[in-house]
Amino acid sequence: GAVVSQHPSWVICKSGTSVKIECRSLDFQATTMFWYRQFPKQSLMLMATSNEGSKATYEQGVEKDKFLINHASLTLSTLTVTSAHPEDSSFYICSAYTNEQFFGPGTRLTVL
Amino acid sequence: QKEVEQDPGPLSVPEGAIVSLNCTYSNSAFQYFMWYRQYSRKGPELLMYTYSSGNKEDGRFTAQVDKSSKYISLFIRDSQPSDSATYLCAMSPDSNYQLIWGAGTKLIIKP
Repeated sequence: GAVVSQHPSWVICKSGTSVKIECRSLDFQATTMFWYRQFPKQSLMLMATSNEGSKATYEQGVEKDKFLINHASLTLSTLTVTSAHPEDSSFYICSAYTNEQFFGPGTRLTVL
Repeated sequence: QKEVEQDPGPLSVPEGAIVSLNCTYSNSAFQYFMWYRQYSRKGPELLMYTYSSGNKEDGRFTAQVDKSSKYISLFIRDSQPSDSATYLCAMSPDSNYQLIWGAGTKLIIKP
């Protein structure tokens, strides 16, 4: 089956620093990747839809200057949390779309 | 009112029991209905995918869609401790491109 990886799986950073999360489709090409955020005991919240070679479409309430998304190739999308603060601590999950969404294992971000 | 309502649980049942998980929705345009399983600190994995109304069976899992009542269900037969996870329903009006998610129900199967 289609495999999606995320790196890192867990990251701790200091407040004010930036963190980059990678999402890769390992055995297929995905023109579209989705980025979600999930707080404890809550469902997935779509942050943005990323299409290869074009600007990401952000959901209402998601700051595009804070959550920078780059989808430079058909197998890689990155999410950069800029100037991270403790309230950005969350579980970030990506999915890659090819007839269905295949999800990565998630990245746990803790901002101190 | 949320577009998709799902009881977060937790739902705790003994091993071997039949489990019933449900979601209700308000948007009559939804045509595609999915159930995902998510283990703790992992990404969701697709369990069942149903188009429009009807039933679909896959091993111990059965998905039902009742569009007239705007109600979907996932049944798990002969539940196992390894079925313990959070089950999320998701739906879409047009394939599974952009999904509207339920809150997820935490299921605990007691040995």
